[in-house]
Amino acid sequence: GAVVSQHPSRVICKSGTSVKIECRSLDFQATTMFWYRQFPKQSLMLMATSNEGSKATYEQGVEKDKFLINHASLTLSTLTVTSAHPEDSSFYICSARAGTSGRANEQFFGPGTRLTVL
Amino acid sequence: AQSVAQPEDQVNVAEGNPLTVKCTYSVSGNPYLFWYVQYPNRGLQFLLKYITGDNLVKGSYGFEAEFNKSQTSFHLKKPSALVSDSALYFCAVRVGGNQGGKLIFGQGTELSVKP
Repeated sequence: GAVVSQHPSRVICKSGTSVKIECRSLDFQATTMFWYRQFPKQSLMLMATSNEGSKATYEQGVEKDKFLINHASLTLSTLTVTSAHPEDSSFYICSARAGTSGRANEQFFGPGTRLTVL
Repeated sequence: AQSVAQPEDQVNVAEGNPLTVKCTYSVSGNPYLFWYVQYPNRGLQFLLKYITGDNLVKGSYGFEAEFNKSQTSFHLKKPSALVSDSALYFCAVRVGGNQGGKLIFGQGTELSVKP
């Protein structure tokens, strides 16, 4: 149980295009989802926190117009990288936390999406 | 500011030897501490957590961690390392409460276990 999936696992795009990454909680309802960015052999940097049905809360320094986050349902959140540039190339990882009391402490991670912008 | 630090970028051990991956924290109030492991090009896998209770926490794959309040540490340990344990390990602290909040990660420690 407690599986989080991401799609796509890998994407290559041209500079200037937009890319959407999906994050799904497969067997639980996620009231809160998190989006992280990770550079090679570095730590995860939290980009934003989203709660179902409300606007995402972005961390300082993260451009909300650049990284659009939508959490339209309890099982799906999307991250759209708009007008992507090579410096946006990174490994993006989503994480989901259940709203039920038994799992409220747990945060489950997706397998990540490798974005390469040419 | 609440934070977690992993002082070693890399830890090298021989297979069969005990391993320790260090983590120290700085939080206000009671800490909620976690260890995760990441294999190449993969997401994070949960190993163990400390919320309250016994200072020695046992987790997945034979790992354990000891919460030491006086030293503000939460070191990850395993009595006998396996080559398959080679991966990137992250310590994390939850800030903003146990039921809510968000995870703040340390910089990660690369564990290399040689045969």
